[in-house]
Amino acid sequence: NAGVMQNPRHLVRRRGQEARLRCSPMKGHSHVYWYRQLPEEGLKFMVYLQKENIIDESGMPKERFSAEFPKEGPSILRIQQVVRGDSAAYFCASSPEQGEAFFGQGTRLTVV
Amino acid sequence: GDSVTQMEGPVTLSEEAFLTINCTYTATGYPSLFWYVQYPGEGLQLLLKATKADDKGSNKGFEATYRKETTSFHLEKGSVQVSDSAVYFCALRPTSGSARQLTFGSGTQLTVLP
Repeated sequence: NAGVMQNPRHLVRRRGQEARLRCSPMKGHSHVYWYRQLPEEGLKFMVYLQKENIIDESGMPKERFSAEFPKEGPSILRIQQVVRGDSAAYFCASSPEQGEAFFGQGTRLTVV
Repeated sequence: GDSVTQMEGPVTLSEEAFLTINCTYTATGYPSLFWYVQYPGEGLQLLLKATKADDKGSNKGFEATYRKETTSFHLEKGSVQVSDSAVYFCALRPTSGSARQLTFGSGTQLTVLP
C-alpha cells in the first residue's frame, strides 16, 4: 500500500505564474488535508476535503488559493499569481473515516 | 482557538543523554495528542499518540504522557542516538465536533552529537 504521494517534490515558479500541487491519498483514505510550512515554522492547517466536498477551508488565504478533491484523481492545491511569500513546503495528509492521518513528503515551492 | 506551545530549540545533546521536549496545549474538551518527527527533506511521521488523560504513548524509546491537570504532553527519551536528530512537532486534534485537522506547535530542532 503506497503512502501519500505528492508531486512534484520541488516546484519553481516565477512571480505571477500559477502553481498546481497534487496529492494522491493512501488507498482507502477519503479525507485529505493540506498544510503549509513556512521556513523555520510549524505546519499551519489550510484546508480539509472529502471527495468532491470542502469541509473546512478556514486556513486558506481568501484570495489566489483554491483546493479540490474530485471524485476521480488526486487532490489539487492551486495557487494563482504566486508571490514570493508563497514560497514554502506544502504537505498533504490523508486519513480514513476513523484513524490517523499519514503525511506525504511535501512539495517545496520556490517563487523567484 | 486551539493552540500548542512547544519548548523552543534548537536542542543539542550528546549521544546517550536524556531528552525532554516540553509541550503544553490549550483546547476545548479533551483532544487527542501527538508527537510527529520530521527528518531533513522529508514529511512528518507519527511518532506516538495518546487519546485520553493519563494515557502514555511510546515508540522507539520515546514516551509522552497525557496530563490533563497540567495540559501537557512532554516528550522524553532516556538515551538519545545520533539518528534521533530531527525536528519534533507536538500536535493536537479535537475529538468532538466536525474539525479533524491537526494543530501543530512550532517544532523543536534536536541535534545529537556523537
